[in-house]
Amino acid sequence: DAGVTQSPTHLIKTRGQQVTLRCSPKSGHDTVSWYQQALGQGPQFIFQYYEEEERQRGNFPDRFSGHQFPNYSSELNVNALLLGDSALYLCASSRQGLGETQYFGPGTRLLVL
Amino acid sequence: AQSVTQLGSHVSVSEGALVLLRCNYSSSVPPYLFWYVQYPNQGLQLLLKYTSAATLVKGINGFEAEFKKSETSFHLTKPSAHMSDAAEYFCAVSEGTNAGKSTFGDGTTLTVKP
Repeated sequence: DAGVTQSPTHLIKTRGQQVTLRCSPKSGHDTVSWYQQALGQGPQFIFQYYEEEERQRGNFPDRFSGHQFPNYSSELNVNALLLGDSALYLCASSRQGLGETQYFGPGTRLLVL
Repeated sequence: AQSVTQLGSHVSVSEGALVLLRCNYSSSVPPYLFWYVQYPNQGLQLLLKYTSAATLVKGINGFEAEFKKSETSFHLTKPSAHMSDAAEYFCAVSEGTNAGKSTFGDGTTLTVKP
């Protein structure tokens, strides 16, 4: 049983560009959450998708958007990249329900030059 | 609003010594609390979670944590450190049942000396 997978593993972009990161949830999971982890900090919640809709959102600008597909996989899009967007982007999946555990993928490391 | 404070960004212990990593939280609703471990260049792995059942929670790799409501704390302990425990540890709190929307502390780097 594959866990949470993310692609690509590493990415280098320049300021102003756009990027798309991808996540496949653990088998049986229907909810995907995205986090940004800057160097030396804890993960910060970006948003959560369930039933193909954004259900919760953290304190991130509209440049950050996402999508969830019918197979529960998800994409994170970031437009107009800034140097400060350089970080490890983590995807976590879970099942909707009481106290369900979320499982994290290995992350995509984004460097914006 | 919820928040997490991890006291001590770096903790160093000798192999075989007690590990104590501190976490205090703030939450306006009964919290769910989590400890995760992160090894270099990897994602986060759940060590243990508190979901309003027993206040003493046992996790993987010999770790445990005690929920103390009066102190708003959820400290992580392990009786005897092993070299393989060296990693970054994160405490997190979620609003109620939605573990997918968690607020994390800034992490504590654990170093284990031989």
